[in-house]
Amino acid sequence: ETGVTQTPRHLVMGMTNKKSLKCEQHLGHNAMYWYKQSAKKPLELMFVYSLEERVENNSVPSRFSPECPNSSHLFLHLHTLQPEDSALYLCASSQGTISHEQFFGPGTRLTVL
Amino acid sequence: GENVEQHPSTLSVQEGDSAVIKCTYSDSASNYFPWYKQELGKRPQLIIDIRSNVGEKKDQRIAVTLNKTAKHFSLHITETQPEDSAVYFCAANTGGFKTIFGAGTRLFVKA
Repeated sequence: ETGVTQTPRHLVMGMTNKKSLKCEQHLGHNAMYWYKQSAKKPLELMFVYSLEERVENNSVPSRFSPECPNSSHLFLHLHTLQPEDSALYLCASSQGTISHEQFFGPGTRLTVL
Repeated sequence: GENVEQHPSTLSVQEGDSAVIKCTYSDSASNYFPWYKQELGKRPQLIIDIRSNVGEKKDQRIAVTLNKTAKHFSLHITETQPEDSAVYFCAANTGGFKTIFGAGTRLFVKA
């Protein structure tokens, strides 16, 4: 695998479920991001990790919990989500966080029933 | 907080014509402005970027202009082709950890 990969690609869950999204980057980057992409809305930054430390938490509800065990892996743990949380969740990575190109994964299409 | 406005939301052009997408930003400290292209069902990919010390940058058929005084920047695509059809996002970064994206422009190039 090359670039940024995400699993699963599609996820359907009930509001009481707990699930996790996984992101892996094979680019040797030191920063990773979670974005939420909803129809006709800007990409919304959720979390930023730099050198495995969270440096940005963009007022995201606590039902979303990120984890970055090392510079290559990023998780988004989900619990008690709401239907309005249904969206495409994109992971990205970059070499540094300041004015650097971000490389995106293919996304996880999440549907909350 | 910082905001990036993008217009138009939808743009339809005939193959061979030019397309222009405009963005404005609110934070005067912004110094890096990337443009991403997202084809249907695919991930966003950087197509061009510009930094605040430059007024214009060109790469083959695409060019970006920046007016720091007015806090405007624009993407210009010349000689459009059907494969240019996609959603284009502008973005602004202040040099920190956060990149703010516009809402996107859906470009249709009619053959």
